[in-house]
Order: sequence, then structure tokens, then C-alpha cells
Amino acid sequence: SAVISQKPSRDICQRGTSLTIQCQVDSQVTMMFWYRQQPGQSLTLIATANQGSEATYESGFVIDKFPISRPNLTFSTLTVSNMSPEDSSIYLCSVTGHLNYGYTFGSGTRLTVV
Amino acid sequence: LAKTTQPISMDSYEGQEVNITCSHNNIATNDYITWYQQFPSQGPRFIIQGYKTKVTNEVASLFIPADRKSSTLSLPRVSLSDTAVYYCLVGDKAGNTPLVFGKGTRLSVIA
Repeated sequence: SAVISQKPSRDICQRGTSLTIQCQVDSQVTMMFWYRQQPGQSLTLIATANQGSEATYESGFVIDKFPISRPNLTFSTLTVSNMSPEDSSIYLCSVTGHLNYGYTFGSGTRLTVV
Repeated sequence: LAKTTQPISMDSYEGQEVNITCSHNNIATNDYITWYQQFPSQGPRFIIQGYKTKVTNEVASLFIPADRKSSTLSLPRVSLSDTAVYYCLVGDKAGNTPLVFGKGTRLSVIA
């Protein structure tokens, strides 16, 4: 399966600031997704990152708050903007389309907003 | 809306076989059933996938009845290191659509 490098692995941020999370894959993949996992909860899909076009957001998530870029087939970023303590979560990227079937997940970015 | 329903939690002693059942009544014809395992501070990890009948790999077995409206993940002789959250998901094999996670089953293995 694909190898995903997600950075940073964790961060503590001040409210009102923004953080950009990077997802780098070791090979070209078809699809890239971003998820949020709040403490003790399951994963919630934020958006599908589309190469060369605007991301497709799920209900409850908007581009102004979570801008996403995907400039090529191996890289994507998720920005958490104007952060508040409620944004404290783990953010994960996931990819598909690499060789065999399977959704591969990054190890996540643990974000704490103070 | 998650497509699957599973027990919220299960407890087991070391060395026992654990079976986790998942309901997916509205599974589509082209959907596959996949199970993931998640440890704290890690992303979900693929365990096993199947379409029908039985699939076995080095870590688990997956049983799928003919109507495919449910599936059972079987973990033989669990150890403490199998303590994790297990997610059952359905989706197309090509991976063109994102996975929609349900609440998962939190398995606690006790010595």
C-alpha cells in the first residue's frame, strides 16, 4: 500500500490562528480524502481533495474554514483556519488508487487549540 | 449517514476467539466489506476485505452470509495487543468514493 507522510504529527496552537497540515504520498494516487476525529469519536469525512480543482466538502464543512489544496497526484494540504478550541481533534488524510484496492491512512495530526 | 451498525464495545480474555458482527442492510451490489483496526494515536489500518462467503488471512477471518446484509470479523486467540477500535465499512472496490465510518467497536482484551 501507499506510504503517507503527514506533517506535523502534533501541534498546539493559539485560538484565532491557522494551521496547515501536509499529506505527502510516496506514489501517485487517484483519490485523497481528509477526515477529522474528535477525542473518543469515530472519523468524520471533511472533504475529498480534487487535483486541480476545488475540494468537495461534506455537510457541515466549508472552504473558508478548511481550505484544501491538491496541486498534484502525491500531495495535499488541509488548513484549519481561525481556530477555536472546538477544532481540537486529530486530522487524517487517506488515499486510494495505489496499486491494489485499499484505503490507506496517514498517522494523523493531533491538534490542540488553546 | 454511516452504512453500518456494530456493537459499541466488547470485552474478551486473552486467548479467546472474538467475533464482531456488523449489519449493513443496504449494501449495494458492487460494495465490498472491509474491516479496519485503529490503535490510539494512529490512523486506521486495513485488516481484511471480502465480497461474499468466507475470507481468511494471517490475522483474521471474515464471514459473509449469502444475503450480504451482515458480516462477522473473527479474531482467533486474541492478545492484549488486539485491544483497539474495529470499524466495519462498505464501499466500492475501486476506492472512488470516500469511506463513511460508523462508530466502530471498541475491543478490550483482558489478561
